[in-house]
Amino acid sequence: ETGVTQSPTHLIKTRGQQVTLRCSSQSGHNTVSWYQQALGQGPQFIFQYYREEENGRGNFPPRFSGLQFPNYSSELNVNALELDDSALYLCASSSQGNFNEQFFGPGTRLTVL
Amino acid sequence: GESVGLHLPTLSVQEGDNSIINCAYSNSASDYFIWYKQESGKGPQFIIDIRSNMDKRQGQRVTVLLNKTVKHLSLQIAATQPGDSAVYFCAENTNDYKLSFGAGTTVTVRA
Repeated sequence: ETGVTQSPTHLIKTRGQQVTLRCSSQSGHNTVSWYQQALGQGPQFIFQYYREEENGRGNFPPRFSGLQFPNYSSELNVNALELDDSALYLCASSSQGNFNEQFFGPGTRLTVL
Repeated sequence: GESVGLHLPTLSVQEGDNSIINCAYSNSASDYFIWYKQESGKGPQFIIDIRSNMDKRQGQRVTVLLNKTVKHLSLQIAATQPGDSAVYFCAENTNDYKLSFGAGTTVTVRA
């Protein structure tokens, strides 16, 4: 059974640029959630995808967008990067109906200069 | 803003002792409360959850207690081991898709 993987592990961008982060869900999981974790804080929910549709969204602006593919992998896109977007971005997969137990990847550390 | 929060940001425990990590919440409509553990360089890992209509649930070396009267949640770890050193988050599930996490408690186990 393959766990959740994310790429890249680290990324450095400058303000105004765009970034795409990728996530492969755990085998058998059809739901992917994305979280932003600032240093020293808990993860903050960005959005969730189920069957290639956005299934819920947190308090993040529209420049945060996502996709889910038929194989349940997912992308997080952030446009017009701001300094405050610097954080660890976590992807988590789960099976439908068991959202409490989400399986997290190791995250992508994004630094915006 | 956050609706779950932890009482103490850090906790130092002697190996072999029991650990108690506390969390307060404000949203009475939460269906579930969940505990996650995050080790350095890793994503959070599910420990245990408790439904809002329960008071206590036990897992392997862990017990979660829920006091709805005072809106308090705790995680007890028995016989704390060095591998238990991590950041512990309480979280709540209110909408069946979104987990809301608190800020975390860093647990350090002393040898």
